[in-house]
Amino acid sequence: QQQVKQSPQSLIVQKGGISIINCAYENTAFDYFPWYQQFPGKGPALLIAIRPDVSEKKEGRFTISFNKSAKQFSLHIMDSQPGDSATYFCAAKTGANNLFFGTGTRLTVIP
Amino acid sequence: GAVVSQHPSWVICKSGTSVKIECRSLDFQATTMFWYRQFPKQSLMLMATSNEGSKATYEQGVEKDKFLINHASLTLSTLTVTSAHPEDSSFYICSARDVGRSSYNEQFFGPGTRLTVL
Repeated sequence: QQQVKQSPQSLIVQKGGISIINCAYENTAFDYFPWYQQFPGKGPALLIAIRPDVSEKKEGRFTISFNKSAKQFSLHIMDSQPGDSATYFCAAKTGANNLFFGTGTRLTVIP
Repeated sequence: GAVVSQHPSWVICKSGTSVKIECRSLDFQATTMFWYRQFPKQSLMLMATSNEGSKATYEQGVEKDKFLINHASLTLSTLTVTSAHPEDSSFYICSARDVGRSSYNEQFFGPGTRLTVL
């Protein structure tokens, strides 16, 4: 059973455009929702994370939008750049427990 | 801060041999480390959770006798793939949790180890 569902599987965006990746979850006990960026052959790196007590968090060009009632959260990448081309994973967890990862979105930003 | 290293970054071995992968937390003490496996174009699959000084907890379907995990110190965990076979070829990633750094119990990931079994 996939605890965290992620879409789309792949995404192609023009340079300067907005990239949007969506995730949904069922477990209302989740209290931490991070996004990871992974380049080929590298480990995932924490990009940005949010707790369910806020609806939005912004760090530079990256924004997480969180909808607690809908049990959905999304990553927005503003002014997307070719260097943002990577695979993005959403995740969720409860307290000190394990992370549950989404299936990943391969983002390609074309010049 | 919060750097996790893995060694080796890649390894090629013959079928039937054993391979050891090291995971180190360089600037913090990690009471808990996690081992993941990732197949091409797929998500990370948690294999096991290891706590310093105790036996690892394996996820369902992961053979504990094949994937030996040792977490003997607060900065080092090792994964040994015993009697490796081609189907064990994968990207192995560790992560470490620094309980003292953040109330969010964040995990910090290593760069991964590419294992190829011939």
